[in-house]
Amino acid sequence: DAGVTQSPTHLIKTRGQQVTLRCSPKSGHDTVSWYQQALGQGPQFIFQYYEEEERQRGNFPDRFSGHQFPNYSSELNVNALLLGDSALYLCASSLASSDTQYFGPGTRLTVL
Amino acid sequence: AQSVSQHNHHVILSEAASLELGCNYSYGGTVNLFWYVQYPGQHLQLLLKYFSGDPLVKGIKGFEAEFIKSKFSFNLRKPSVQWSDTAEYFCAVSQGGATNKLIFGTGTLLAVQP
Repeated sequence: DAGVTQSPTHLIKTRGQQVTLRCSPKSGHDTVSWYQQALGQGPQFIFQYYEEEERQRGNFPDRFSGHQFPNYSSELNVNALLLGDSALYLCASSLASSDTQYFGPGTRLTVL
Repeated sequence: AQSVSQHNHHVILSEAASLELGCNYSYGGTVNLFWYVQYPGQHLQLLLKYFSGDPLVKGIKGFEAEFIKSKFSFNLRKPSVQWSDTAEYFCAVSQGGATNKLIFGTGTLLAVQP
């Protein structure tokens, strides 16, 4: 049973560029949440997708957007990258009926 | 706004020592409580969770945590740590239901010396 997978593993971008990160949820899960983990900090909630709609959103600017596909996989897009966007981006999946989230390995984004 | 505090940022123990990591949250309503662990080079894994019922919950690898509602606390314990417990530990809270986003503490880095 495959767990949550994310791609790519690492990514280097320059300021002003745009980036897309991808996530495949654990088999059977229908809800995907995205978190940003800055160095030395705990993960911070960005948003959550269910039934291809953004269901909740954290305190992140509109530069952060997402999408969920009919197969429940998800993308996180960040526009106009800033140095401060450098972080580990985590995807977590769950069942809509459950409060337990399972995390993927993350994508390490470095903005130069 | 909800917040989670982990007071111990860095803990160093010798093998066989007992462990207690503190976690306090600020929210007056019903909460779900979690401890996640991140071993070196690995992803976040669920260690244990509390939703309701017995406030003493047992997790994997001999860990347990006690929910004390009056103190807004959910401390993690292990009677005897091993070198393999070296990891970063995160406490997290959610309100449950449709708003099940997780609010994390800043983490506690545990180093166990052999």
